[in-house]
Amino acid sequence: KAGVTQTPRYLIKTRGQQVTLSCSPISGHRSVSWYQQTPGQGLQFLFEYFSETQRNKGNFPGRFSGRQFSNSRSEMNVSTLELGDSALYLCASSTTGNEQFFGPGTRLTVL
Amino acid sequence: AQTVTQSQPEMSVQEAETVTLSCTYDTSESNYYLFWYKQPPSRQMILVIRQEAYKQQNATENRFSVNFQKAAKSFSLKISDSQLGDTAMYFCAFILTNSNDMRFGAGTRLTVKP
Repeated sequence: KAGVTQTPRYLIKTRGQQVTLSCSPISGHRSVSWYQQTPGQGLQFLFEYFSETQRNKGNFPGRFSGRQFSNSRSEMNVSTLELGDSALYLCASSTTGNEQFFGPGTRLTVL
Repeated sequence: AQTVTQSQPEMSVQEAETVTLSCTYDTSESNYYLFWYKQPPSRQMILVIRQEAYKQQNATENRFSVNFQKAAKSFSLKISDSQLGDTAMYFCAFILTNSNDMRFGAGTRLTVKP
């Protein structure tokens, strides 16, 4: 089975712009979770989608949003980018939400 | 709230030797899963080993094994016969059964020296 894929792998944006990141889960996995990884805050949970519904959301501002499509692919959107949004964004898929398999991540740099 | 603590920011070990990484967690729940993930310089998070809280037997995956002490809320990872490819950040993670919010420790940077 192919693993979790994320596109793009690297992204550079400027403050105030918006960005959309994409995640394709492992075939058959219906749960997709998103995490933000920074040197200062470590790995933090953003949100999780299952069958096109957001089941849980972490403690992030409303500028961070996501959605999931019928084929389980998920997108994450960040609007009005801030310098502090620079991070590695990781997507993980699973069948139930417990054992999660991670993608390679998208490195976002906000200038 | 569930928290995960890794008290060793950095560790090093000689190739072929054994090293143990520590992890403690805090929860009032009884049904959960624990994981160790490895993140090499490529940044890809790789699942190393998992442990269901209801299982008393410690999980083992080849050279990797855990010491799960549920009462002490401790979940350490032992790497035997360390290899250069084991050099990476290691994250301990916790998730409640039927939850989807995985909590991670701050990580331990392990360096295997030749």
